[in-house]
Amino acid sequence: GQQVMQIPQYQHVQEGEDFTTYCNSSTTLSNIQWYKQRPGGHPVFLIQLVKSGEVKKQKRLTFQFGEAKKNSSLHITATQTTDVGTYFCADFTGTASKLTFGTGTRLQVTL
Amino acid sequence: KAGVTQTPRYLIKTRGQQVTLSCSPISGHRSVSWYQQTPGQGLQFLFEYFSETQRNKGNFPGRFSGRQFSNSRSEMNVSTLELGDSALYLCASSYGTGGYGYTFGSGTRLTVV
Repeated sequence: GQQVMQIPQYQHVQEGEDFTTYCNSSTTLSNIQWYKQRPGGHPVFLIQLVKSGEVKKQKRLTFQFGEAKKNSSLHITATQTTDVGTYFCADFTGTASKLTFGTGTRLQVTL
Repeated sequence: KAGVTQTPRYLIKTRGQQVTLSCSPISGHRSVSWYQQTPGQGLQFLFEYFSETQRNKGNFPGRFSGRQFSNSRSEMNVSTLELGDSALYLCASSYGTGGYGYTFGSGTRLTVV
């Protein structure tokens, strides 16, 4: 079956440093959705990317969808302690109405 | 508006028992999905319901079942519990097919002893 891997598994940064997580799929992605899960919390929807090569920004967060639709990335500029959590990408297949989640990247930010 | 409500928040059950978890979606959301989250397997899709019909099912044994009621509320049931069923069970609702993202509930933490 489809495998969606994220690297790195874990990253620890100092506040103010940048952070990037990469999402790679064994098969072509339909649409990519990104979620953030705070420690002890539940996933919270961040954004959806649909088109090949699409780039979207939300304040300090930049999301990209690969040209071949087999990878995606999330870049955070100048991290803050509020960015702490696990970031998941998920392949969203509308016809199947399901999310296939990536393995997640846990981000720790310290002062 | 109210978010997705899951009850109970925590549950401890014994092997062999069965359990029913409940989910109330956001008002107006007709799609309800269930996911299992464990440290080893991550987030895995269980099933999705829309207007009382199961539209998709993940790769889980038949012990896992669910249903959706006419008011969009959903329940999932796990029979003959095994230790490996210990997990955080998350319910998510969406408007339509999920193309605008899913709103997750806080989950039910199930521990099987």
